[in-house]
Amino acid sequence: TQLLKQSPQFLSIQEGENLTVYCNSSSVFSSLQWYRQEPGEGPVLLVTVVTGGEVKKLKRLTFQFGDARKDSSLHITAAQPGDTGLYLCAGVPGNQFYFGTGTSLTVIP
Amino acid sequence: DAMVIQNPRYQVTQFGKPVTLSCSQTLNHNVMYWYQQKSSQAPKLLFHYYDKDFNNEADTPDNFQSRRPNTSFCFLDIRSPGLGDAAMYLCATSRNRGPSTDTQYFGPGTRLTVL
Repeated sequence: TQLLKQSPQFLSIQEGENLTVYCNSSSVFSSLQWYRQEPGEGPVLLVTVVTGGEVKKLKRLTFQFGDARKDSSLHITAAQPGDTGLYLCAGVPGNQFYFGTGTSLTVIP
Repeated sequence: DAMVIQNPRYQVTQFGKPVTLSCSQTLNHNVMYWYQQKSSQAPKLLFHYYDKDFNNEADTPDNFQSRRPNTSFCFLDIRSPGLGDAAMYLCATSRNRGPSTDTQYFGPGTRLTVL
């Protein structure tokens, strides 16, 4: 059972385009984290969202936590080839850490 | 400075030949995790140590074992690797287990090839 489902699973876009990745669950999370993993490397934490409705910005990346704390989104503006990687949401409902199903992003120059 | 170190980065073994992957951390974190990750998929938790307390995921095969001799080191032993065990193996640490804002720090991974 996957607690956190991400969509889309794969995304291939041209450099300069915008995109949104979604992370959804039927469970309530006290916080959600977003990681990016480049090929051949371990995941690296991008952001943690804690408050329902919270919006955080990291340069061209905008993260939002749903009001009900069951979902989150990641929006990338003007994607660049360096944004290519696997994007993972993750959360802790209770005492266990769960990863989302992942979104593999390819930005074509 | 590297905080979670995994050795080797690439490991090749033969079908059925035992292999050990290692992980060390300089963060003095209480919790260490081992994940298996296959291509373009999310990491799958195999087990974790909270200090010396070992916690095995229900669906982790018996073929996978782990040791944590001290706070800094944790090992993943694959007793009889099969072709299906070829994957990236990620080690991670966190200060504690459970706090909602706790962060996991990942090593670069070891890519295992089974011939």
